[in-house]
Amino acid sequence: GAVVSQHPSWVICKSGTSVKIECRSLDFQATTMFWYRQFPKQSLMLMATSNEGSKATYEQGVEKDKFLINHASLTLSTLTVTSAHPEDSSFYICSARRLQETQYFGPGTRLLVL
Amino acid sequence: EDKVVQSPLSLVVHEGDTVTLNCSYEVTNFRSLLWYKQEKKAPTFLFMLTSSGIEKKSGRLSSILDKKELFSILNITATQTGDSAIYLCAVPEGSGNTGKLIFGQGTTLQVKP
Repeated sequence: GAVVSQHPSWVICKSGTSVKIECRSLDFQATTMFWYRQFPKQSLMLMATSNEGSKATYEQGVEKDKFLINHASLTLSTLTVTSAHPEDSSFYICSARRLQETQYFGPGTRLLVL
Repeated sequence: EDKVVQSPLSLVVHEGDTVTLNCSYEVTNFRSLLWYKQEKKAPTFLFMLTSSGIEKKSGRLSSILDKKELFSILNITATQTGDSAIYLCAVPEGSGNTGKLIFGQGTTLQVKP
């Protein structure tokens, strides 16, 4: 058990468009999901904590109006990158918290904004 | 401030070698320590450690925690090229119950044939 999926795995879009990324916990319920961003050769950077049924908590420096997070159910959280620009190109990874502190990561979504 | 430090930052070995990766931590309210392996995609979970001195084992990988000295090691025996990856150590943030993980910088392991 403890499988987390993300969709899509790859997305290429034009500058100015919005992109939605889904994160699902497939075989467990996750009251908390996390969204990370990772640039090449760098460590994971936490963007926000998403709690089911409440507003997300954003890390310092992350624009909440730019990165919209919705956690509508115990198995689904979505991240929408609004009006994407080339500097938003990155590897976006979600994780779901299950059993005490263990976080299980999704496979990630590579976003390329042209 | 909660902190996780991994060493070495990078390591190159040959197949068959044994490697030991280190993780030291400082956290206000320690609850657990986690190890992850990251290849080209997102991190995959390896171990969660909560008690000192109890070795967790999965195939050629094993890990142990020392809560007195505030560190953990990850051992890989008989390394294979498929073990090449970044190994991440993390502890949950000490304050509150946010679930946020504090990650170390990672150890990049390269196993040569």
